[in-house]
Amino acid sequence: AIQMTQSPSSLSASVGDRVTITCRASQGIRNDLGWFQQKPGKAPKFLIYAATTLQSGVPSRFSGSGSGTDFTLTISSLQPEDFATYYCLQDNNYPWTFGQGTKVEIK
Amino acid sequence: EVQLVQSGPEVKKPGESLKISCKSSGYSFTSYWIGWVRQMPGKGLEWMGIIYPGDSDTRYSPSFQGQVTISADKSITTAYVQWSSLKVSDTAMYYCVRSSGSRGRSDYWGQGTRVTVSS
Repeated sequence: AIQMTQSPSSLSASVGDRVTITCRASQGIRNDLGWFQQKPGKAPKFLIYAATTLQSGVPSRFSGSGSGTDFTLTISSLQPEDFATYYCLQDNNYPWTFGQGTKVEIK
Repeated sequence: EVQLVQSGPEVKKPGESLKISCKSSGYSFTSYWIGWVRQMPGKGLEWMGIIYPGDSDTRYSPSFQGQVTISADKSITTAYVQWSSLKVSDTAMYYCVRSSGSRGRSDYWGQGTRVTVSS
């Protein structure tokens, strides 16, 4: 199975900060990667697909980059509503696999 | 409007069977995959498996193969995951999710079904 190594596992940041989260695949997955945001007690919310394409309705401060094995989710200016846990998911190969998650906390 | 509505919370005893559901609406049920995701208390997301209702093609994570059965009923646009003999370790929140099957496009999620297994 493809392992998705997500880092960091947690980070503390302030409103207005630029935040970067990375996912590394154990083998190449082209651009078969999505990013999700989850708030406590809620279902995950879909943010980005094909590694770089913003889902409709998602604020433009979110962006994704990467292809192959290394991927990045960037929040250009962190807003109060962005404090949450973020996950990547690869669907290039079965079994699909999630990263371990990155918890973004308030500094 | 695309919606995935899951069945309500369950409290079961070890060894009991269970089937939870995910009712889809607002799109062509047979044209998308439906996946299932487990989230144990305080933990991350785990991909369990997926079904394509169009032809019932089903794939499982090795961690869940033989532990659960995923199915779908096209006539009522509903997907299911079932257990024949629950364990305490099956206590978790379970989500269904619609997926295009590639490019990480798992776009619509159910609200989750909480399963508690306790003696």
